[in-house]
Amino acid sequence: ETGVTQSPTHLIKTRGQQVTLRCSSQSGHNTVSWYQQALGQGPQFIFQYYREEENGRGNFPPRFSGLQFPNYSSELNVNALELDDSALYLCASSWRQGATETRYFGPGTRLLVL
Amino acid sequence: GESVGLHLPTLSVQEGDNSIINCAYSNSASDYFIWYKQESGKGPQFIIDIRSNMDKRQGQRVTVLLNKTVKHLSLQIAATQPGDSAVYFCAEKGPGRTGGGNKLTFGTGTQLKVEL
Repeated sequence: ETGVTQSPTHLIKTRGQQVTLRCSSQSGHNTVSWYQQALGQGPQFIFQYYREEENGRGNFPPRFSGLQFPNYSSELNVNALELDDSALYLCASSWRQGATETRYFGPGTRLLVL
Repeated sequence: GESVGLHLPTLSVQEGDNSIINCAYSNSASDYFIWYKQESGKGPQFIIDIRSNMDKRQGQRVTVLLNKTVKHLSLQIAATQPGDSAVYFCAEKGPGRTGGGNKLTFGTGTQLKVEL
């Protein structure tokens, strides 16, 4: 177990709706990143938060947004859902300082957009 | 642009044999590489990592080799067991701690099947 938890585990939405996914980081980790994994593909970087601020973003539109809270838990929000947003959404936590940059992934939230 | 690709989508090995999973990367500036194992229905699980100033690193039953000259990474699993069956991803991280330097770029994965 990585100590990273995500909720919900599964979710079904319809096109145009909004969704909020949640992540609880491993204790002591101050950095959280979110990834989208389509079926049969590797995870794609969405963005990363460090001390409640976004400090890196992948090629995702602005309707993908996030938050990191003082306790380092995090949310991923997706507005105006599209069918192609159907994927496994993964969060990963890490401790930024020092040589180790290992990211520990949660089990993911499986989102299906109909 | 950056890309990380795997040579073989599926690898079948006999139980007890050694497995070698290969990965090519294109960003010569990448300074950190990780291998992840992902079982069905689960998130990626960290296996082993290596920095660009190293060419080999060993863990328990696993070894990662990095060849920066040809931009190639490999994962060797000794005495492969049925529990090793999973999809294996290599991932690279660019230099720096902001912007693109934070993200991991993953390959599409290799399915490892262990036959009894």
